[in-house]
Amino acid sequence: GQQVMQIPQYQHVQEGEDFTTYCNSSTTLSNIQWYKQRPGGHPVFLIQLVKSGEVKKQKRLTFQFGEAKKNSSLHITATQTTDVGTYFCAGGAGGGNKLTFGTGTQLKVEL
Amino acid sequence: DGGITQSPKYLFRKEGQNVTLSCEQNLNHDAMYWYRQDPGQGLRLIYYSQIVNDFQKGDIAEGYSVSREKKESFPLTVTSAQKNPTAFYLCASSITPNTEAFFGQGTRLTVV
Repeated sequence: GQQVMQIPQYQHVQEGEDFTTYCNSSTTLSNIQWYKQRPGGHPVFLIQLVKSGEVKKQKRLTFQFGEAKKNSSLHITATQTTDVGTYFCAGGAGGGNKLTFGTGTQLKVEL
Repeated sequence: DGGITQSPKYLFRKEGQNVTLSCEQNLNHDAMYWYRQDPGQGLRLIYYSQIVNDFQKGDIAEGYSVSREKKESFPLTVTSAQKNPTAFYLCASSITPNTEAFFGQGTRLTVV
């Protein structure tokens, strides 16, 4: 079945440093979504990418979808303590299929 | 307010007992999902439903059962056959499959 892996599993950064998490799917995706889960909370939708090579930005966050639609990345510029949480990618395979979530990257930001 | 509601937030059960987790949404979404999250791990799909009166097994359906008799409701039963039921359970819904998913607050189930 479809598998979605993320690296790294954990990342500790100093406030102000950049952060990147990478997502890789075993199969070609119809779309990729990104979610953020704060400690003790539930996942909250950030963005969806659909097109091959697509790049979207939300303030300090930059999302990319690979040309082959099998990988994606989330980059945060100048991290802040409010960025703390676990970031998940979720891949859709099209045809009305389910979303498969990645393993997640837990981000900790230290002052 | 529109949203997705899970209850209860915390649930304790004795080993060998079945337990049903509630999930209700008033977003008029067709698709609903149940995920299981273990500490430090990702979300694993238990069951999903694309439309009323229809549901499919996810990746870890063994020991679980669901029903989708109403569009708004997608209850999950954790049966005694589930070998390791203690976990955080998340319900989600979306307008259609593969679109933005809205999650409930989750139910933390502890089986002793």
